[in-house]
Amino acid sequence: NAGVMQNPRHLVRRRGQEARLRCSPMKGHSHVYWYRQLPEEGLKFMVYLQKENIIDESGMPKERFSAEFPKEGPSILRIQQVVRGDSAAYFCASSPTGSDQPQHFGDGTRLSIL
Amino acid sequence: KQEVTQIPAALSVPEGENLVLNCSFTDSAIYNLQWFRQDPGKGLTSLLLIQSSQREQTSGRLNASLDKSSGRSTLYIAASQPGDSATYLCAGRGDSGGSNYKLTFGKGTLLTVNP
Repeated sequence: NAGVMQNPRHLVRRRGQEARLRCSPMKGHSHVYWYRQLPEEGLKFMVYLQKENIIDESGMPKERFSAEFPKEGPSILRIQQVVRGDSAAYFCASSPTGSDQPQHFGDGTRLSIL
Repeated sequence: KQEVTQIPAALSVPEGENLVLNCSFTDSAIYNLQWFRQDPGKGLTSLLLIQSSQREQTSGRLNASLDKSSGRSTLYIAASQPGDSATYLCAGRGDSGGSNYKLTFGKGTLLTVNP
């Protein structure tokens, strides 16, 4: 019974490139959450998605960032034209239903911008 | 807006000691409060979850309490072991804005248990 799977574990990009982070939720989970952990900071909520729907993206920067959770396949967090300040650990969590269920976290993707 | 604060930021204790980690939150309208453990380069492992209607939860050597009226939670670790060394994160779920799916994290307490 695999947990939340995130890939890649580590991603290096040069400034101006695009970064794509993938998250496969636990089996049977249809709710996905993305959090970002900047150096020396706590985890911050970015976005909450259900299959094919963005429920709350209030924590996501308005520009360059987008997220999706298609009917088939993993959830994708996409960062266009990356800058040094995007360097962080990005964590994905999933839950089976809505807000009353615990969120299970993946091991994260460490994004480094050169 | 919910804010979560953890003190101390770092703690070093000798093996066998009992210890308490503190967490405070500003918005008492939390849905639940969760304690996590994070090892270096790893994800988050859930330790204990306390519903808003509960006062405490226990699992093995861990005991977490919740006092909504004062906006505080504590994580008590009994008979600490070197393997307990990690960063401990406190997260409140929900706020008076109604988004009871959103976790708000503190910055964590880095615990080192010395043999």
